[in-house]
Amino acid sequence: AAGVIQSPRHLIKEKRETATLKCYPIPRHDTVYWYQQGPGQDPQFLISFYEKMQSDKGSIPDRFSAQQFSDYHSELNMSSLELGDSALYFCASSLVGGRVAGELFFGEGSRLTVL
Amino acid sequence: AQKVTQAQTEISVVEKEDVTLDCVYETRDTTYYLFWYKQPPSGELVFLIRRNSFDEQNEISGRYSWNFQKSTSSFNFTITASQVVDSAVYFCALSESGSARQLTFGSGTQLTVLP
Repeated sequence: AAGVIQSPRHLIKEKRETATLKCYPIPRHDTVYWYQQGPGQDPQFLISFYEKMQSDKGSIPDRFSAQQFSDYHSELNMSSLELGDSALYFCASSLVGGRVAGELFFGEGSRLTVL
Repeated sequence: AQKVTQAQTEISVVEKEDVTLDCVYETRDTTYYLFWYKQPPSGELVFLIRRNSFDEQNEISGRYSWNFQKSTSSFNFTITASQVVDSAVYFCALSESGSARQLTFGSGTQLTVLP
């Protein structure tokens, strides 16, 4: 069965650079979530989209932005990167249909290293 | 606000021992979902179980079992006859009702199973 696809799996950037992470949800899933997991930390919710509209916002820095496109894939754009942005970034998708959140399926994560 | 507490930061057991991972949650909602995820050293988040707040039946899946007790706001996870491959970080998570709600994770429990 198709899973959540994230790219790139690994990314190395320097301070003040920009990075873009991509997420392709499971087909027919209508909701995408982005999480950030710092070293030794639990995943922290950043932002989510339901049917291409932002649905919830968590601890996402102003330097970050995200969107969901017409084909339901999502991109997380991170600008003016800081050392503290080094983390594992997870994308998850679920089939919500505007009702109670269902099971979240996570991608394998994109590891960002900022030097 | 919702909160998940995993008081055990690290647990070490010897192979074939049983081990229980504790999870205590806080929420004001009467409808919510509880999850357990496994994060092996490779980094991906592997879904283990989802339980809704109206279903207090314990569940068993192979060597895994879950004990959900609303009276104590706990959702504990037991691995029977542990194996080295069970070594991972285990996260308990909570999702409140409503549309497209995100997960709140506990801080995780690092389980090490020694041969």
